[in-house]
Amino acid sequence: GQNIDQPTEMTATEGAIVQINCTYQTSGFNGLFWYQQHAGEAPTFLSYNVLDGLEEKGRFSSFLSRSKGYSYLLLKELQMKDSASYLCAVRNYGQNFVFGPGTRLSVLP
Amino acid sequence: DADVTQTPRNRITKTGKRIMLECSQTKGHDRMYWYRQDPGLGLRLIYYSFDVKDINKGEISDGYSVSRQAQAKFSLSLESAIPNQTALYFCATSDFTEQYFGPGTRLTVT
Repeated sequence: GQNIDQPTEMTATEGAIVQINCTYQTSGFNGLFWYQQHAGEAPTFLSYNVLDGLEEKGRFSSFLSRSKGYSYLLLKELQMKDSASYLCAVRNYGQNFVFGPGTRLSVLP
Repeated sequence: DADVTQTPRNRITKTGKRIMLECSQTKGHDRMYWYRQDPGLGLRLIYYSFDVKDINKGEISDGYSVSRQAQAKFSLSLESAIPNQTALYFCATSDFTEQYFGPGTRLTVT
């Protein structure tokens, strides 16, 4: 089976850095994805890791440790528009995606 | 124009009615997916298709059926809607990296 865990809610201040963690257990791992979703809207792709290490994309970075079943998304220089839910998803060998419950991030002024 | 479109965007229906949600994509991807999203539960996979002749059940397929009419079209049907099928439904397509989501259909079953 597969299980993905993320914190339910986080709060941070504008201009700060926040790290959103994701732990997973999966029968076949073929990549870990992070998506951003604003309330009532579709998820949009942020980052993708298939090998261990850090992937950086502007203000967003994502880290993966396959041996630990662990990933995090790092958001720097937080802006009010970053208030959203962040979804961690694992792709398995069957090319399906299993999503975590999402972390709702609130950015305060 | 949007790469992945869904119709309708909002629908209210009564228990026992048949309803179809439609999805079209212009990305040329073979892989298409239907998910439902409920508060606190994330996205859960209903059905997926890797080409026109390939249909597979996902985690929560009971009470749903699908049709892949063409590479670009993938429809989800609720044969007899029930209130616990009230949710936000997303269609998605995929290449070998990311998924691209449609805008969602908000379905309410009364």
